[in-house]
Amino acid sequence: DTAVSQTPKYLVTQMGNDKSIKCEQNLGHDTMYWYKQDSKKFLKIMFSYNNKELIINETVPNRFSPKSPDKAHLNLHINSLELGDSAVYFCASSQDLASPYEQYFGPGTRLTVT
Amino acid sequence: TQLLEQSPQFLSIQEGENLTVYCNSSSVFSSLQWYRQEPGEGPVLLVTVVTGGEVKKLKRLTFQFGDARKDSSLHITAAQPGDTGLYLCAGGDSNYQLIWGAGTKLIIKP
Repeated sequence: DTAVSQTPKYLVTQMGNDKSIKCEQNLGHDTMYWYKQDSKKFLKIMFSYNNKELIINETVPNRFSPKSPDKAHLNLHINSLELGDSAVYFCASSQDLASPYEQYFGPGTRLTVT
Repeated sequence: TQLLEQSPQFLSIQEGENLTVYCNSSSVFSSLQWYRQEPGEGPVLLVTVVTGGEVKKLKRLTFQFGDARKDSSLHITAAQPGDTGLYLCAGGDSNYQLIWGAGTKLIIKP
């Protein structure tokens, strides 16, 4: 069973489009995250949610909007895509806010904006 | 701003050699994690160290947390091609957030 899954694995789209990435975890964790990994492999936290509540919202353009319908799902919607949004996006989860350091990652979604 | 610097950024060695990679900061962390990321996949947690001076072993991998909890090292003995990957360290800060290093890309040649 896949612990943290993301769809799609690859996403190629044109500038200006709107797209969504879905994430689901079956670990029973309370806390979920979205990360962006750039071409230099640096992982940058974007958002974190705990039990469907937004906890961390780093300096991310408001074109990015996370949504958590329940604590097992955290989706990422991106409006008006730009070239600079091209990256690999990772979803992750951890047990809860009190133990956030041991995180379990999904396989990533490679977004290419042309 | 807390930063974690990893060195070297890139390391390519022959199978069977030993190596050490480093993770350094001027800040104190409550814990330090090491992750390994293989191409096309997400990072996978290898170990967590929480006590200054702590040493943990995972088969041929030895992890050490500095006495002052500001730095860590990962030593691999008799490296194998399966050890190839991006090694990321991440420190837990006082706000329950992870501070990530930029990684060491390790290639082990057969």
